Amino acid sequence: KQEVTQIPAALSVPEGENLVLNCSFTDSAIYNLQWFRQDPGKGLTSLLLIQSSQREQTSGRLNASLDKSSGRSTLYIAASQPGDSATYLCAVADRGSTLGRLYFGRGTQLTVWP
Amino acid sequence: GAVVSQHPSWVICKSGTSVKIECRSLDFQATTMFWYRQFPKQSLMLMATSNEGSKATYEQGVEKDKFLINHASLTLSTLTVTSAHPEDSSFYICSAKETFNSPLHFGNGTRLTVT
Repeated sequence: KQEVTQIPAALSVPEGENLVLNCSFTDSAIYNLQWFRQDPGKGLTSLLLIQSSQREQTSGRLNASLDKSSGRSTLYIAASQPGDSATYLCAVADRGSTLGRLYFGRGTQLTVWP
Repeated sequence: GAVVSQHPSWVICKSGTSVKIECRSLDFQATTMFWYRQFPKQSLMLMATSNEGSKATYEQGVEKDKFLINHASLTLSTLTVTSAHPEDSSFYICSAKETFNSPLHFGNGTRLTVT
């Protein structure tokens, strides 16, 4: 069964710092990996989707990389802002299931203080 | 971008009653919808997967008679929590995707409190 782990569980940084969130998964047979943001009491907002054939995706200050062979992905946030404070979740679409179901990590709770 | 609307955003009900949660894809047709449950400070746990026009596939340990899922159209799926109990209190989130390898889009979730 696919297991997704995110490190660190929580991160607190001053505004302006560049930071890296890590995600690892146990089974490299995936269709894609997706990074989400979740604000307290809210649903999830999709940030970046990386297909299994891709190495990275970029959107604004966000850059996500994927190393499928080692089962790792990183989310890089440049010049962090207080508005980036949220929980960041990574999820993999498992190739082992015909339904393409997602397996989620527990998330990294990010706090960016002014 | 793709929008998934979930309603209601919060609901309080008495023990023993049933609650229906709706999940709609507003600007795309969702061949597959997923229902998740999230406990405080925990990640999302998949409850079931529904494909339009067919019976939902439930995850191990999820009671299909308690959590009724209907995916009657390409834009609407419903989750009914039957005979709710306090332990069913949780945050329920639906998600939808247009095609098999499309990104997954989430609703804003429903906070269910059973008293």
